[in-house]
Amino acid sequence: QVQVVESGGGLVKPGGSLRLSCETSGFILSDFYMTWIRQAPGKGLEWISGISSSSTYKNYAASVKGRFSISRDNAKRSLFLQMNSLRVDDTAVYFCVRGGGRYGLDLWGQGTTVAVSS
Amino acid sequence: EIVMTQTPLSLPVTPGEPASISCRSSLSLLDSDDGRTYLEWYLQKPGQSPRLLIYRLSDRASGVPDRFSGSGSGTDFTLKISRVEAEDIGVYYCMQSLEFPRTFGQGTKVEIK
Repeated sequence: QVQVVESGGGLVKPGGSLRLSCETSGFILSDFYMTWIRQAPGKGLEWISGISSSSTYKNYAASVKGRFSISRDNAKRSLFLQMNSLRVDDTAVYFCVRGGGRYGLDLWGQGTTVAVSS
Repeated sequence: EIVMTQTPLSLPVTPGEPASISCRSSLSLLDSDDGRTYLEWYLQKPGQSPRLLIYRLSDRASGVPDRFSGSGSGTDFTLKISRVEAEDIGVYYCMQSLEFPRTFGQGTKVEIK
């Protein structure tokens, strides 16, 4: 089955850290650029980070640059997002998404919820 | 970064009738190297994850009905639904894929009149 499944979300205090994981199946991960998108409660979609197929290129939104780090392990079919110095406005559903190069974001997970609150 | 602006933000529609959503970018989305325009459309139905509808301005994603079409050029784009069906309700987003960081429009909520 072709899918991506996120995990690792939870409740964390401001200034804390979380590491999100995305397990992929049904396709060859090393063939694809991968992306993290988030959606704050009741808000629109925000692109936050992407990584090329062999990890050569990593891109970040200004809102997370310097605090978040994207990585991948193609052999383990997994994508990661290390989130440090979390802020209240990082509260959102985080989606792992296949694609993000020039051919669209074509496979979305169900999302994992991150809540940052004291 | 490229700013994406959608209009309208809310669109009441009648099943069987056409509908269109506009999206404008602050910079041309034409890639002069390959001549393609990098604009995408997504639909997020209530309670679901978003789904890709259109990429590279007018290419329909796999499984997307042909009543959906994308058009435009430079900085002005349109998503058209030739005949709206009840299942088309949700929030539509445009996104530019010319440059990083990628950026989305605010979203257009489509609902049945």
